[in-house]
Amino acid sequence: GAGVSQSPRYKVAKRGQDVALRCDPISGHVSLFWYQQALGQGPEFLTYFQNEAQLDKSGLPSDRFFAERPEGSVSTLKIQRTQQEDSAVYLCASSLNAGRGEGYEQYFGPGTRLTVT
Amino acid sequence: EDQVTQSPEALRLQEGESSSLNCSYTVSGLRGLFWYRQDPGKGPEFLFTLYSAGEEKEKERLKATLTKKESFLHITAPKPEDSATYLCAVQAGGGYNKLIFGAGTRLAVHP
Repeated sequence: GAGVSQSPRYKVAKRGQDVALRCDPISGHVSLFWYQQALGQGPEFLTYFQNEAQLDKSGLPSDRFFAERPEGSVSTLKIQRTQQEDSAVYLCASSLNAGRGEGYEQYFGPGTRLTVT
Repeated sequence: EDQVTQSPEALRLQEGESSSLNCSYTVSGLRGLFWYRQDPGKGPEFLFTLYSAGEEKEKERLKATLTKKESFLHITAPKPEDSATYLCAVQAGGGYNKLIFGAGTRLAVHP
């Protein structure tokens, strides 16, 4: 079946531009996560949605980062006034439910590589 | 503070040479430990979830084990197609299911 998809796959932005990154989770998955991955590092948590509710945004690095999931399916991560330190791969993941046990693992999309020049 | 440390950072093996990757963790109330495989330019691919000490899971040439302080990913008779970065992550109690990742082990298997 279809996995998690993300678009665009690559984005080059000039410093100060706004960008929007899209995530299409696996159909029916309740939970959606955004992570940021720097080169040579593991992913770092940004924010979490359960359906349309944003329950955890503790990982967002600044108020320039904003995420939404208005209908509980597709999600958008927006970065305003991009800075060079925002250059990274942004990964989206979804899981079937929000509890422990079957369906708990997170499935990742291919990521969006953002380069800020 | 919840933390995950993976070792070694990089590992080079000959085809057929078995080895183990280590994941040490400190976490307040482990809810689950996860292993992922990541190929260059791709997102992490789910391999295993372990929930309690003593648990083991196997898939083809890979076996994951868990103790109260660490997890091992054993690779038996690896093939070149096993070359990838292997990521370990934990889910801590009290939070909303976020994964805390280690930096990964880059595995290269040469014929």
